This record gives sequence, structure tokens and C-alpha cells, in this order.
Amino acid sequence: AQSVTQPDIHITVSEGASLELRCNYSYGATPYLFWYVQSPGQGLQLLLKYFSGDTLVQGIKGFEAEFKRSQSSFNLRKPSVHWSDAAEYFCAVARGGIKAAGNKLTFGGGTRVLVKP
Amino acid sequence: DGGITQSPKYLFRKEGQNVTLSCEQNLNHDAMYWYRQDPGQGLRLIYYSQIVNDFQKGDIAEGYSVSREKKESFPLTVTSAQKNPTAFYLCASSAGLTDLGLFGAGTRLSVL
Repeated sequence: AQSVTQPDIHITVSEGASLELRCNYSYGATPYLFWYVQSPGQGLQLLLKYFSGDTLVQGIKGFEAEFKRSQSSFNLRKPSVHWSDAAEYFCAVARGGIKAAGNKLTFGGGTRVLVKP
Repeated sequence: DGGITQSPKYLFRKEGQNVTLSCEQNLNHDAMYWYRQDPGQGLRLIYYSQIVNDFQKGDIAEGYSVSREKKESFPLTVTSAQKNPTAFYLCASSAGLTDLGLFGAGTRLSVL
């Protein structure tokens, strides 16, 4: 069965510093991978997704993620964080290579990011 | 504008009561999903539907029921059999794999 692990429950970073959030997945075939952000009390917003091709994916809000098959990882990065980046971030995996409708997402437990002034 | 609308934003349930959460989409998507979010556990899939009049159980379907009578609507009923219903409920829809990732704003359910 597919699974997603986000090893860091909380991360505190200073404003202007770089940020990296870790995500490891377990899935036998080619995974389709996603990163979401959730502000308190809000729904999820898609930051970026990886299906195939270039392993470095650019997303919204200055985020990027790199797919590393050999490490089963899809880490999210941002070179310089802003106070508005304080939120919870979720990594997710969907089964690849099958009919898309009905394709389900499996989520990691999330990483809460705190930004210090 | 196309999107996914969940209502109400907040909902309270009394003991022994069934409550229904609404999810509507005007994106013409075939597939719709319900997830439950608890602190520290990420999101877990409750039910999903690939097409009208058909739906499948997800990982935590016990105590919940759904219907899919119209393409644009996928209501979730939290029954009295769900003993721990307090959570944040999120609805999603997709037309294909590239559309995965579109969520509503959520409904927060609490028990009185």
C-alpha cells in the first residue's frame, strides 16, 4: 500500500532564511506527488505537483520540489521564507498509471512551519 | 468562477443526531472525494465517487454515508454511529489526474 511520511512535525525558521520540508513516499510504481499548504481553518491549496519529466518542479509562492526516485523523496524548498509562509504543509501521493478518475490521494501527517521575525 | 463549495462552514451535532455536509462543484468533474482531517494525522479518505450513482468506501467509511445523485453534488452524512465525529471535513473533485488537488474550504464539525 502507498504511504507518505513527513518526518518533521514542526519546523521553525527565521524570516528570510531558507526552508526545506521533507517527504518520503512508499509506492511500487511511478508515483504522482503533490504538495499542499493549509492556513489555519482553511482548505488546502495546491503548491505544486509532479507527474513525470523534469524532476525539479516549480510551484506557486516561490516554492519548488525535487523528485528523487532513488531516495523515494519529494522535498519541498523555498530559498527565502516570508512571514505569510507560516502554515501547515502536506505531501501526498496518488497512484500513477491508471485511470485518473477515482484516483485517491494518500497524505502525510503534515509539517507545521513557524516563521520567526 | 468554477470551484468547489462546501457548506456550512461550521456545524454542530447533538448526540444521536445525523448531520449532512454539503459539497457542490461546478467544474463538471466526474470524481468527487470526502476527506477527514484530525490534528497530526493528515487527511484520511472517507468515500469517493467516480461517476454519478456510484461510490466507493475509503479508508475510514464506518459511521458515514454518501450519495451521488447528481454530477455536481456529493453530500456526506455523519451518522450517529460515528462516535468521534469532531473533525475538519474536506471535499475534493477531479476530472482526471492533472486535476487532482482541488479542494473546498472545508466544514468543521463539533459535537455539542
